[in-house]
Amino acid sequence: DADVTQTPRNRITKTGKRIMLECSQTKGHDRMYWYRQDPGLGLRLIYYSFDVKDINKGEISDGYSVSRQAQAKFSLSLESAIPNQTALYFCAISRQGTDTQYFGPGTRLTVL
Amino acid sequence: DAKTTQPNSMESNEEEPVHLPCNHSTISGTDYIHWYRQLPSQGPEYVIHGLTSNVNNRMASLAIAEDRKSSTLILHRATLRDAAVYYCILIGGTSYGKLTFGQGTILTVHP
Repeated sequence: DADVTQTPRNRITKTGKRIMLECSQTKGHDRMYWYRQDPGLGLRLIYYSFDVKDINKGEISDGYSVSRQAQAKFSLSLESAIPNQTALYFCAISRQGTDTQYFGPGTRLTVL
Repeated sequence: DAKTTQPNSMESNEEEPVHLPCNHSTISGTDYIHWYRQLPSQGPEYVIHGLTSNVNNRMASLAIAEDRKSSTLILHRATLRDAAVYYCILIGGTSYGKLTFGQGTILTVHP
């Protein structure tokens, strides 16, 4: 079983809809991250969490919100999706004291 | 945050060694040099990291210049599966574990 799972893997939605992307992990790591990747570009950090209830903004948090209700789960929400949020979204985890991050398989989101 | 500079693309033949360079002239003394790669249609995966000394693991070797202003990721025998985008990333004390990805180097491996 994969250490980091993301659901859904693909999603097509319309402008203005609320969308939630889920990330769950089985490694028991305390740190979780959300990144987005646009075609031909590297990943950019949206939000990160170092523990349950700990939430920190990343480089591009506008238009997004997150929830970390349990150590193993970190959800990313788009309150009102817009077309320029069409991208690949990756969740990642790491353990306190190390900088190595483990990434999920990604969610491809298309906003029409 | 210190920046890294990598070539946009490189090519190699299968079974040959590949040397992927990274310049980081503004690196600070506490910055670790990390390498990740992203295979097509997958999330990034950790490859290797180091601080000052050269490092080896089952995937690759990392050669760090004595002044630490550059480093080289070495794949000893490239395979088709090594075709990916390779990212050189600096992580220091103020990064709080966050990864800042540049555009990376697209490695093409020819059979």
